[in-house]
Amino acid sequence: DVKVTQSSRYLVKRTGEKVFLECVQDMDHENMFWYRQDPGLGLRLIYFSYDVKMKEKGDIPEGYSVSREKKERFSLILESASTNQTSMYLCASTITGGEFTGSYEQYFGPGTRLTVT
Amino acid sequence: SQQGEEDPQALSIQEGENATMNCSYKTSINNLQWYRQNSGRGLVHLILIRSNEREKHSGRLRVTLDTSKKSSSLLITASRAADTASYFCATDHGGAQKLVFGQGTRLTINP
Repeated sequence: DVKVTQSSRYLVKRTGEKVFLECVQDMDHENMFWYRQDPGLGLRLIYFSYDVKMKEKGDIPEGYSVSREKKERFSLILESASTNQTSMYLCASTITGGEFTGSYEQYFGPGTRLTVT
Repeated sequence: SQQGEEDPQALSIQEGENATMNCSYKTSINNLQWYRQNSGRGLVHLILIRSNEREKHSGRLRVTLDTSKKSSSLLITASRAADTASYFCATDHGGAQKLVFGQGTRLTINP
């Protein structure tokens, strides 16, 4: 079974702190994603990575950065946490689909609920 | 925005009844996927239907896709209390394995 783990289930940080959220997958997936989930807004893509050291911005990258030094690990960084970054953060991974098959299912971690005070 | 819309936003039914959720999207897709999320947890993949498929089954789940109407439905038959969760559709519009998620339907099964 694919397993995606996230470093913390709950996290409380102060405004202005630098925050690291870690995600690790154990199935050698090429693609990894960071989403945030807010009530009424569904899941929104922050950043994704399709290979080591490769990254692309998603729909809401402002205030975030990412790092992917190893294939299994994808980190989300909040350079200076703000209260509007209080949210549930979800990491996911998937293999690379083909031109005619499209994407495959994404495997999600349990989520990190971050509160910035 | 390509984000899909789900309908209804919330659904409450009695155990044993069938539950139907709908998803609409705006631009052409490679495939459409449905996910379940139990309260405060990550999402779990339920089923994937490709753009050239019209219907797919998995256990008590039945998914239909109408690309001409840009819509899909998820039917859960003979619902159980354990089906209580939020259900999300996600669409693949091509490129880089990205999915666009809808806002979800919160399903409550009453015993």
